[in-house]
Amino acid sequence: QVKLLQSGAALVKPGASVKMSCKASGYTFTDYWVSWVKQSHGKSLEWIGEIYPNSGATNFNEKFKGKATLTVDKSTSTAYMELSRLTSEDSAIYYCTRATTVAPDYWGQGVMVTVSS
Amino acid sequence: DIVMTQSPSSLAVSAGETVTINCKSSQSLFGSVRQKNYLAWYQQKPGQSPKLLIYLASTRESGVPDRFIGSGSGTDFTLTISSVQAEDLANYYCQQYYDTPWTFGGGTKLELK
Repeated sequence: QVKLLQSGAALVKPGASVKMSCKASGYTFTDYWVSWVKQSHGKSLEWIGEIYPNSGATNFNEKFKGKATLTVDKSTSTAYMELSRLTSEDSAIYYCTRATTVAPDYWGQGVMVTVSS
Repeated sequence: DIVMTQSPSSLAVSAGETVTINCKSSQSLFGSVRQKNYLAWYQQKPGQSPKLLIYLASTRESGVPDRFIGSGSGTDFTLTISSVQAEDLANYYCQQYYDTPWTFGGGTKLELK
């Protein structure tokens, strides 16, 4: 069955960067876009951007350009997102999702990122 | 960006009631090529990831109980939950995937009365 397994929680200092992973299984990794979504504490959801593993093509929400970098490793079916120059506003849960032509259907379990000195 | 406005923000219900959650988009989500509305509904329980319930405005995801009904077209959409069960208490979000950036509604918290 389709699974997206994300890396563990991270505690990072302001100004630092964090890189998280999303390992896909149960489907052909290169056939689907992988999207990333942010959920701040107790709030709604924000789409960060997406990457197509087959080509490495990316699309971003303007709000997150310069903040997020998306990459993939096709050999391990793993997508990565790196967030840079972290501030308290970046403290949130980050989800990866498999994006189909009809809807993002499968979601990872989420990575909680806490930015604190 | 397409703005998604969801209402109400919270709803207190008793088991067995029928509830309606509304979602309005700032522009039409109807795609002329596929003749479909690119609107999804998600359920999120505390400590869990969002779970896809409905896509293309009215198609239930596999395994979703038929008490969850999505309807609407263009800019106005509705999620109806008939005969609410205790397991349905959660947050519900609408999302448009007509155009990037995808955007979500603010959420509706379904609580027990």
